[in-house]
Amino acid sequence: EAGVAQSPRYKIIEKRQSVAFWCNPISGHATLYWYQQILGQGPKLLIQFQNNGVVDDSQLPKDRFSAERLKGVDSTLKIQPAKLEDSAVYLCASEIQGFEQYFGPGTRLTVT
Amino acid sequence: SQKIEQNSEALNIQEGKTATLTCNYTNYSPAYLQWYRQDPGRGPVFLLLIRENEKEKRKERLKVTFDTTLKQSLFHITASQPADSATYLCALGALGKLIFGAGTRLAVHP
Repeated sequence: EAGVAQSPRYKIIEKRQSVAFWCNPISGHATLYWYQQILGQGPKLLIQFQNNGVVDDSQLPKDRFSAERLKGVDSTLKIQPAKLEDSAVYLCASEIQGFEQYFGPGTRLTVT
Repeated sequence: SQKIEQNSEALNIQEGKTATLTCNYTNYSPAYLQWYRQDPGRGPVFLLLIRENEKEKRKERLKVTFDTTLKQSLFHITASQPADSATYLCALGALGKLIFGAGTRLAVHP
């Protein structure tokens, strides 16, 4: 089966600019996660979707980050405006049931 | 405060030896614990899950233990190979989500 797809793989922007990341989960996986992984740290959950509804966005900085999952399939994560501290790898993961999560390759964001 | 601690220093071992990685946590009551492998430039890959009522889980050369009294999980790779070199992340299933540690980098030398 195809894995979780993410694009772009790399992005460099200046602070105060906006950026969007796209994720296509594994077909049939109802649950989708966005994580932020800062260098040297573990992934930190930003938002969890169940189909197209938000389950948990308690750690999403809502003043600048937004995410949506239209039709319960693809998802987009946006940052507007970006700050230097947003430099990180943004990982998307999906899950069909149980507890095993399948991660995409991530998007490495550099904010200058 | 709530913490998950993994060895921050890299673990260097000789090929063929057993690698043992530690995950300690405080102020969490996880229902389960998972271990993931992460290679540079890639997303984490699931390895094993162990539930709170299980003491030990095995999969091929991998073994995980879970001690809820000590609040600790140990992850063992037996007969290690250079291909096992990677960062290994522990993740607690708690508060309705996965909470990851920072990971331990393992280097297996021929």
